[in-house]
Amino acid sequence: AQSVSQHNHHVILSEAASLELGCNYSYGGTVNLFWYVQYPGQHLQLLLKYFSGDPLVKGIKGFEAEFIKSKFSFNLRKPSVQWSDTAEYFCAVNPNTGKLIFGQGTTLQVKP
Amino acid sequence: DAGVIQSPRHEVTEMGQEVTLRCKPISGHNSLFWYRQTMMRGLELLIYFNNNVPIDDSGMPEDRFSAKMPNASFSTLKIQPSEPRDSAVYFCASSLAGGFQETQYFGPGTRLLVL
Repeated sequence: AQSVSQHNHHVILSEAASLELGCNYSYGGTVNLFWYVQYPGQHLQLLLKYFSGDPLVKGIKGFEAEFIKSKFSFNLRKPSVQWSDTAEYFCAVNPNTGKLIFGQGTTLQVKP
Repeated sequence: DAGVIQSPRHEVTEMGQEVTLRCKPISGHNSLFWYRQTMMRGLELLIYFNNNVPIDDSGMPEDRFSAKMPNASFSTLKIQPSEPRDSAVYFCASSLAGGFQETQYFGPGTRLLVL
């Protein structure tokens, strides 16, 4: 079955630390990749997405993600986190079926 | 734009009662999705519609769950009878045409507690 794995369930960082959240998927065909974020008390919103082209994708608020096809990975990065980045982050895959398959989510807590 | 609107935002009910969740997609969006979020299972797609027609309901847990989209601006998710294990946050999302590369825009969710 198609699945999305986020290896880090809970991450705690200090402000200015670098962030990398892992995401792996199990699907061999063409995929469309997304990272969504859910800030406390708010709804999910898109951070960035990848369909084709440059495997390094830049999103909002200084986030970026790199698609590595050989590793079936789409890791999210940010060079320097801020307290306001405290949120839950979801990786999602749409394997050309119209259905978004989400990972379990990673809770990021940034200490001021 | 008002975004995706869901009501109610919170619902507390007793086991056996009928629960109806409502969603208004973004105007002009032709695809609508219902998700459920729980600690155990994360975010899972229940059903989605294209042009008011249900396309895939394979995620609907059982016959107690039903969803309708009578027109382009309104959808309901009904649970009858409700059970404690249905307690979760239910999200509605919409996109322009349901394409594989499209962004889905999520509503604020309905937090359901079944006692």
